[in-house]
Amino acid sequence: DAKTTQPTSMDCAEGRAANLPCNHSTISGNEYVYWYRQIHSQGPQYIIHGLKNNETNEMASLIITEDRKSSTLILPHATLRDTAVYYCIVRVGNDYKLSFGAGTTVTVRA
Amino acid sequence: ETGVTQTPRHLVMGMTNKKSLKCEQHLGHNAMYWYKQSAKKPLELMFVYNFKEQTENNSVPSRFSPECPNSSHLFLHLHTLQPEDSALYLCASSQDAVAGIYEQYFGPGTRLTVT
Repeated sequence: DAKTTQPTSMDCAEGRAANLPCNHSTISGNEYVYWYRQIHSQGPQYIIHGLKNNETNEMASLIITEDRKSSTLILPHATLRDTAVYYCIVRVGNDYKLSFGAGTTVTVRA
Repeated sequence: ETGVTQTPRHLVMGMTNKKSLKCEQHLGHNAMYWYKQSAKKPLELMFVYNFKEQTENNSVPSRFSPECPNSSHLFLHLHTLQPEDSALYLCASSQDAVAGIYEQYFGPGTRLTVT
């Protein structure tokens, strides 16, 4: 699987949009971008995934650059409950394995 | 989220004890997974079951023994553990583990402490 690079940590203000970047410059054409998050001492939670096109669901939006070498997860209106470690993962579509790296620790402040 | 449940949530055991962790999924999925998360380390995949058959053992020591009696239940039997086995043990499930791009749903985990 392609390696991903994420900032170690970031802060954002409650009610504002949180933009989480991820670099995956060695991504292959058949690899998807997945985002999970893990709130302290809980199991990871699936957020969203995409291949080429931008995706949106009730939790977040995923913006993938045209060359697919980077992506941004957008939490449109961050709340205190969004404080968590966010993991950007790339994996082949028919491979169940998820390789969790260190992720980005996001702290939402009131 | 109650799709994947794990019991117990916390467990303290001695090195000579035998205990079991239980995972149950209510999502109608066919694949189940055990992960280990040690302090300050990424999640490590331990075992994978697809349609009750074990499809992956990620070089896990034999003191960890998984069991999958049906697609909804997964157990991890523990015996003669070491203190370094103390970690958060997470169970996950997905539609299947062979094809597709199915996301995995995780349980809350069991916090295990080996004394």
